[in-house]
Amino acid sequence: GAVVSQHPSWVICKSGTSVKIECRSLDFQATTMFWYRQFPKQSLMLMATSNEGSKATYEQGVEKDKFLINHASLTLSTLTVTSAHPEDSSFYICSARDPGTPNQHFGDGTRLSIL
Amino acid sequence: DAKTTQPPSMDCAEGRAANLPCNHSTISGNEYVYWYRQIHSQGPQYIIHGLKNNETNEMASLIITEDRKSSTLILPHATLRDTAVYYCIASPPVYQLIWGAGTKLIIKP
Repeated sequence: GAVVSQHPSWVICKSGTSVKIECRSLDFQATTMFWYRQFPKQSLMLMATSNEGSKATYEQGVEKDKFLINHASLTLSTLTVTSAHPEDSSFYICSARDPGTPNQHFGDGTRLSIL
Repeated sequence: DAKTTQPPSMDCAEGRAANLPCNHSTISGNEYVYWYRQIHSQGPQYIIHGLKNNETNEMASLIITEDRKSSTLILPHATLRDTAVYYCIASPPVYQLIWGAGTKLIIKP
């Protein structure tokens, strides 16, 4: 079945560091990818929709200068958390829409801890 | 806000069928019913989806009422590995998914 690979799976950084998370669709081309954030014991919250070759669409309350999204190819989207602070610590999850179906396929998430 | 309501938690004995209900009384005609699950500290896993008809795959069955206002996900023979949070989502096919709180399903030995 369709596979989405997310890297890294976990990262621990000092405050002020920028962190890049990659999301790859391994066996299909994804013109649209989604980025979510999940805090402990809460549901997924959509951060932004990433479209190949164009600017991402951010949800209300998500700072686009803080969370930089690049979708330069049909199989890769990246999320960069710039100048990360402890309150940015969370579980970040990407998904890619399979153009052949109405489904989304999810990566295994990235656990980000900012000290 | 999520357009679906689910019970916050359910228990099921191992080997029995787990029936997870979902209400989506305001579902639109072009919206599918999707089911995903999330095992602790992992990304969500697609289970099944449907529009009007009942659906079955290797993981589960989806029963959608005729008026489409509710549905039931059936795991026919639950195992301990089925313990997870199960999310029912109503959404058009190319739209972003809006996640509710889901149902925490605990399978007991």
